[in-house]
Amino acid sequence: AQTVTQSQPEMSVQEAETVTLSCTYDTSESDYYLFWYKQPPSRQMILVIRQEAYKQQNATENRFSVNFQKAAKSFSLKISDSQLGDAAMYFCAYRRKQYGNKLVFGAGTILRVKS
Amino acid sequence: DGGITQSPKYLFRKEGQNVTLSCEQNLNHDAMYWYRQDPGQGLRLIYYSQIVNDFQKGDIAEGYSVSREKKESFPLTVTSAQKNPTAFYLCASSPAGHSPSTDTQYFGPGTRLTVL
Repeated sequence: AQTVTQSQPEMSVQEAETVTLSCTYDTSESDYYLFWYKQPPSRQMILVIRQEAYKQQNATENRFSVNFQKAAKSFSLKISDSQLGDAAMYFCAYRRKQYGNKLVFGAGTILRVKS
Repeated sequence: DGGITQSPKYLFRKEGQNVTLSCEQNLNHDAMYWYRQDPGQGLRLIYYSQIVNDFQKGDIAEGYSVSREKKESFPLTVTSAQKNPTAFYLCASSPAGHSPSTDTQYFGPGTRLTVL
């Protein structure tokens, strides 16, 4: 069974600085998807970024980028120029490349942004 | 505008009662999912449905039931058999097919269920 581990229960960053959230996963599959979701205090789950395992290029969405290390099964999220609105719970998630398949989530990392 | 709606936002239940959580989407998505979120844990899959009139159990289906009579709707019933139902429940949906845009799940705003 696939598992996703987020080893940092909580992180803090100063406004305008950069922070990296860690995620590791375990799978025997060779092709899959990885996601980072953000859950602000409203509790609405918002997709931040996605990565397809067969693509070697790291995904980027504005201030958000990932460091995908397939051999190490690592998928970290880097947030640049942190803003107060980035404060939220961040979840790393894995999904096999099969239609209708479930997301497997990590336990989450609380990110606090200091002004 | 398109999206996923869940109702109610807050729900209170007495022990021994069944309650039904609503999930509706107007995104024309084929697949729909129900997740449960507990404090300090990630989301766990309860049930999912890839097509109308068909659904499969997820990792924690015991004490829950679903139906998928319409493409737009995927209600979740929390039965009295669920021993610890107090949690935050999230509904999600995704389109059919295999492409970057279709393999992503989009979430509703959630329902907070409290057992009194």
